[in-house]
Amino acid sequence: GQNIDQPTEMTATEGAIVQINCTYQTSGFNGLFWYQQHAGEAPTFLSYNVLDGLEEKGRFSSFLSRSKGYSYLLLKELQMKDSASYLCAVFNAGNNRKLIWGLGTSLAVNP
Amino acid sequence: DVKVTQSSRYLVKRTGEKVFLECVQDMDHENMFWYRQDPGLGLRLIYFSYDVKMKEKGDIPEGYSVSREKKERFSLILESASTNQTSMYLCASLLGVSNQPQHFGDGTRLSIL
Repeated sequence: GQNIDQPTEMTATEGAIVQINCTYQTSGFNGLFWYQQHAGEAPTFLSYNVLDGLEEKGRFSSFLSRSKGYSYLLLKELQMKDSASYLCAVFNAGNNRKLIWGLGTSLAVNP
Repeated sequence: DVKVTQSSRYLVKRTGEKVFLECVQDMDHENMFWYRQDPGLGLRLIYFSYDVKMKEKGDIPEGYSVSREKKERFSLILESASTNQTSMYLCASLLGVSNQPQHFGDGTRLSIL
């Protein structure tokens, strides 16, 4: 089967660092996406990893280990506006154009 | 920037009505998708289309149909709305068969009474 696991909820403090994990078991792998979704809004693209290692983009970084079926999203210098749901999704070219989506991690940033 | 526009943010309809949700993208993307999103169930794919007049079933197509007569427009149709179709509906578009991200519209929150 195909499965993506993420923690359901996390809390963190403003100014801190938080790591959101994602593990996947899929029949194929051609990349992993992270999206951010604020309550009542559409998902917006954050990052894409296809090779092992860390991709840094400002306060956000994303890491991938293909051998372990594992990724994480690292958020630094947390701000209140980072309170949102973070969705992990795997792209498998053998799955046509469809993404396999995790259920998302709801992050609450407290003052 | 890619712009994906959904016709309504909020919509209220009655059980048994035929409901049309419209989605338009302005970047000449080949692929378009319809999802619904429910608490605890995440994003679930209803239908997608990879070209004009082409469509493929997603994971939960029952009770829905789609239409893609023009490249920029992808319509989702609820043939006879039921209360279990109350949900947030999200349209997305994608360039090619590639590692590009899907771009989402703002969503339509549909309530069936």
